[in-house]
Amino acid sequence: DQQVKQNSPSLSVQEGRISILNCDYTNSMFDYFLWYKKYPAEGPTFLISISSIKDKNEDGRFTVFLNKSAKHLSLHIVPSQPGDSAVYFCAASALNGGATNKLIFGTGTLLAVQP
Amino acid sequence: ETGVTQSPTHLIKTRGQQVTLRCSSQSGHNTVSWYQQALGQGPQFIFQYYREEENGRGNFPPRFSGLQFPNYSSELNVNALELDDSALYLCASNSKLAGAVNEQFFGPGTRLTVL
Repeated sequence: DQQVKQNSPSLSVQEGRISILNCDYTNSMFDYFLWYKKYPAEGPTFLISISSIKDKNEDGRFTVFLNKSAKHLSLHIVPSQPGDSAVYFCAASALNGGATNKLIFGTGTLLAVQP
Repeated sequence: ETGVTQSPTHLIKTRGQQVTLRCSSQSGHNTVSWYQQALGQGPQFIFQYYREEENGRGNFPPRFSGLQFPNYSSELNVNALELDDSALYLCASNSKLAGAVNEQFFGPGTRLTVL
C-alpha cells in the first residue's frame, strides 16, 4: 500500500525554466510534508517542508504547495539550474500524541535540468 | 556543527551472516531513525530510537534490531542476512520536540550487498 505516490519517475526541464514535481498521498492523518533531494552516493538532503495548516511555503527558489482536499502537494523550483539535477523525494509524517514521527517516502522523481 | 555520519560506507556479506551498521547523530539531536532504501524505491522506515529506547517500528522482522547509546549514536544490527537485505541503509537524526514534527537529517548511508 503506497501511501505517498510520485507518479512521474522522471522530469526534464530547460535551465531557467520552472520545474514542478508532484506528489499525492492517501492517508488523511498526514499533517507534515517534506521534500528531500538526493544525489547519487549521498544521503537525502532536506529541502523544504510544510505543515498541514498552511497551503504554501517558500524558501528562495523553492516553493511547496499543499492542497489538502485533493491530498496533493507540489514542489516548484524557479529558475531551475543544472545543479538541481537529482532525485527528489516527497515524504509525509503523522504526529500521533508525540510518538514516532516516521517519514513515509514516495518513490522519487529524477529531475534533469538541461543547460 | 557536525552532521550525521555513518560507517562503514560499503559492506559485502554473504547470506546467513550478521552485520552491524553505525551512526553518529548530528550534534544536538537526540533521536535516530533508520531507513532501508532498495534500488529504485524510496527509503522505508525500519525503526526509531529516542532516549535509548525503541520508539516505533516499521514493517521489518525481528532480525532487524538496534541500539542507541547515551551519546545518541546508534547501531543497526541485522541477523541471518538474506539476499533481499541488499540496500542502502540510511540513518537520520532530529531533535524530538513534544507535540511537534520536525525535519530529519540524513547521513550518507551504508551500501550493504548480500551475496
